[in-house]
Amino acid sequence: DTGVSQDPRHKITKRGQNVTFRCDPISEHNRLYWYRQTLGQGPEFLTYFQNEAQLEKSRLLSDRFSAERPKGSFSTLEIQRTEQGDSAMYLCASSLVLGTDTQYFGPGTRLTVL
Amino acid sequence: DAKTTQPPSMDCAEGRAANLPCNHSTISGNEYVYWYRQIHSQGPQYIIHGLKNNETNEMASLIITEDRKSSTLILPHATLRDTAVYYCIALTGTASKLTFGTGTRLQVTL
Repeated sequence: DTGVSQDPRHKITKRGQNVTFRCDPISEHNRLYWYRQTLGQGPEFLTYFQNEAQLEKSRLLSDRFSAERPKGSFSTLEIQRTEQGDSAMYLCASSLVLGTDTQYFGPGTRLTVL
Repeated sequence: DAKTTQPPSMDCAEGRAANLPCNHSTISGNEYVYWYRQIHSQGPQYIIHGLKNNETNEMASLIITEDRKSSTLILPHATLRDTAVYYCIALTGTASKLTFGTGTRLQVTL
């Protein structure tokens, strides 16, 4: 399967712990996006990269959140000092900007903060 | 990006065509209409997109009105596996973030 992959698929953590999620985009896609989705809502944009550069960050991305894409391939999203309000599905998408920017999503990582 | 409006829910009998409407009256000339769907607890799935002309792929057809103020996603023969939330999104070709609304919850029934 050559789609977007995310790891882990599920994460349960205690409040105050740090967590890190990984996203592997479709090969050769130059853009990578992170979204967050809470129960009953549509996904909300967090940030995106074009190659290694982080080009936009949402106001939702507090200073406890950090994302990296060091070599322009996979990306990590870290949440420090997790809070119960961080419980959500974290979605990754990738695209190849070539005319249009069609994004393809991974299966998501479901985070539960106890 | 232009705001889109969709009905909150629709029902469709299995085997029949599902026609999902979307209003985007403030869409600008360089904004595409994208459709995604999300089956429960999965990541959104890209379905189709278009600018002016009607589009068809193996999943669906997209009909855009001549004035581009509305569009309809057509699933020609709905199955139970098409039960999902369908999102209509307008954005420019090289735009970055997708802005999801509340979508239409399509329930396909026997």
